[in-house]
Amino acid sequence: QKEVEQNSGPLSVPEGAIASLNCTYSDRGSQSFFWYRQYSGKSPELIMSIYSNGDKEDGRFTAQLNKASQYVSLLIRDSQPSDSATYLCAVNIRGDSSYKLIFGSGTRLLVRP
Amino acid sequence: NAGVMQNPRHLVRRRGQEARLRCSPMKGHSHVYWYRQLPEEGLKFMVYLQKENIIDESGMPKERFSAEFPKEGPSILRIQQVVRGDSAAYFCASSPFFEGLYNQPQHFGDGTRLSIL
Repeated sequence: QKEVEQNSGPLSVPEGAIASLNCTYSDRGSQSFFWYRQYSGKSPELIMSIYSNGDKEDGRFTAQLNKASQYVSLLIRDSQPSDSATYLCAVNIRGDSSYKLIFGSGTRLLVRP
Repeated sequence: NAGVMQNPRHLVRRRGQEARLRCSPMKGHSHVYWYRQLPEEGLKFMVYLQKENIIDESGMPKERFSAEFPKEGPSILRIQQVVRGDSAAYFCASSPFFEGLYNQPQHFGDGTRLSIL
């Protein structure tokens, strides 16, 4: 089982719709969760961080965390063509000598005008 | 620019040469991380460093790769005797000091695109 799993997509939604991106993780001890957006050929850009169960909203973005189910999601409301990118889920995982961030392989989102 | 600075942006090397990638963390950040990204793939953790210390190098190949973060100057990722398979984007990220289990978010540089001829 991969440590952090995401559907690779592409997830295609029409402009104005809600895009829902999902991520599962394997380490029950994980405490920190992040969503990054990466445009093609560019570096990852932090969108959201979440540490507690429940929802966290920031503008059009809502992160949802369920530690019991080991599941974290990102909702994008009123999707825009400029939201078309790859979205990376990152989870802190206990390694041999430290906690470190492990990234999923990303979900490609395509917002159709 | 107070962000994470990486250079060079693009680096071309012939097989067998050495590649040196540099990273200066954001001001106030004491933790540096290196990742490798192959085309159409996710970020793969390589190494985590603090000043003068390698904290976790579990993602780094055992041979040809090394990293350092000296007391003064940028962090360096060094690849000796490069091979075609080393061609990738190498990203550096930094974060401030943290305690316990709660990682502070990592902020990424623009990356170095390494091409091996």
